[in-house]
Amino acid sequence: AQKITQTQPGMFVQEKEAVTLDCTYDTSDQSYGLFWYKQPSSGEMIFLIYQGSYDEQNATEGRYSLNFQKARKSANLVISASQLGDSAMYFCAMGRSYSGAGSYQLTFGKGTKLSVIP
Amino acid sequence: DVKVTQSSRYLVKRTGEKVFLECVQDMDHENMFWYRQDPGLGLRLIYFSYDVKMKEKGDIPEGYSVSREKKERFSLILESASTNQTSMYLCASTPRGYYGYTFGSGTRLTVV
Repeated sequence: AQKITQTQPGMFVQEKEAVTLDCTYDTSDQSYGLFWYKQPSSGEMIFLIYQGSYDEQNATEGRYSLNFQKARKSANLVISASQLGDSAMYFCAMGRSYSGAGSYQLTFGKGTKLSVIP
Repeated sequence: DVKVTQSSRYLVKRTGEKVFLECVQDMDHENMFWYRQDPGLGLRLIYFSYDVKMKEKGDIPEGYSVSREKKERFSLILESASTNQTSMYLCASTPRGYYGYTFGSGTRLTVV
């Protein structure tokens, strides 16, 4: 079974500072995907960034980057220059190929609540 | 933009009632999912469907059933609601291929 671990239930960061949210995963699959989602207090899940298991370069999307260390099975999210609007829950997810669907089946971690302090 | 619409934002039901949560997506996605979200537990997969009339159990299917009669609509059914089914329910969809999901805005269900 797939397992995603986010060890930080809550974190604080000063505005304009960088922050790293930890995520480790456990799988025996060779091909998989890693995702990060943001959930503001309004409740919608917003896709942030994706890394494929065969991608050699770390994924980046604007202020978000994914620090992928395959041997350590970690996929940490780095947010640079934090903004007040970054305050939210952040979920790490791993996608396992589901052949019947021809798509990923996502398993989520328990989330990290990030609070940005002015 | 892909849109996933959940029919109710908030719902209050009584114990023992039959409850329908509706989800509609407008981008012809093959795959649809139902998750429940509880504090400290993250998102847990209830059921998913990769085609019309197809359904697969997720990690916590007990007490739930689903229906997918049309490609764009995926319904979650609580046959006899119980208080331990009070939760946030999130619907998601994705096309065939290896992509992330698009989520609806969620239905917060309270069973009293």
